[in-house]
Amino acid sequence: QVQLVQSGAEVKKPGASVKISCKASGYTFTGYPLHWVRQAPGQGLEWMGWINPKSGGTNYTQKFQGRVTLSRDTSISTAYMELSGLTSDDTALYHCATGVAATLLNAFDVWGQGTMVTVSS
Amino acid sequence: SYELTQPPSVSVSLGQMARITCSGEAVPKKYVYWYQQKPGQLPLLVIYRDNERSSGIPERFSGSSSGTVVTLTISGVQAEDEADYYCLSADSSGSYWVFGGGTKLTVL
Repeated sequence: QVQLVQSGAEVKKPGASVKISCKASGYTFTGYPLHWVRQAPGQGLEWMGWINPKSGGTNYTQKFQGRVTLSRDTSISTAYMELSGLTSDDTALYHCATGVAATLLNAFDVWGQGTMVTVSS
Repeated sequence: SYELTQPPSVSVSLGQMARITCSGEAVPKKYVYWYQQKPGQLPLLVIYRDNERSSGIPERFSGSSSGTVVTLTISGVQAEDEADYYCLSADSSGSYWVFGGGTKLTVL
């Protein structure tokens, strides 16, 4: 079955960077876009950006431009999200997500379990 | 940047109809997707492409679109439908996606 498994929780100091991995299985990794979404405690869902795993092309929402980098390693079907210049506002649960049904038209219905990032001095 | 607007909260009595709206200027041109999220759980896609019900989603969930507004309707609300609901869509370029702010559905 389609599955996305993310790396474990992280605790970072303000100003640091974090890099989260998302390993895909059960489908052709390069065939479908992979999105990144975050959710701060008690807050709503926030779309961060997406990557085309085949080409490596990316789009980032304006809020994270210059701070976020999405990448992938097709040899191991793994995507990465790196966020720099962390502040306490970046404390959140970070998810990767994808959709492999053509009917979804690049939206997503499969989520990674989430990686909790805590930013604290 | 592109925005989708949802009401923060909707309350409905058990067995009644709930309607949750989502508005955005690109809605007439881009499909909207609806997610249900219960506390401590991953979001679940309930409606895709404005009005298509995802596999396994009860028939009481439906979606519709009119102009710049899409609506998620839950007919005969059940206690288990109490959750946060988020709409998702892309901007007119299709390159950037955005979630609505979310609507907390309370079943009375």
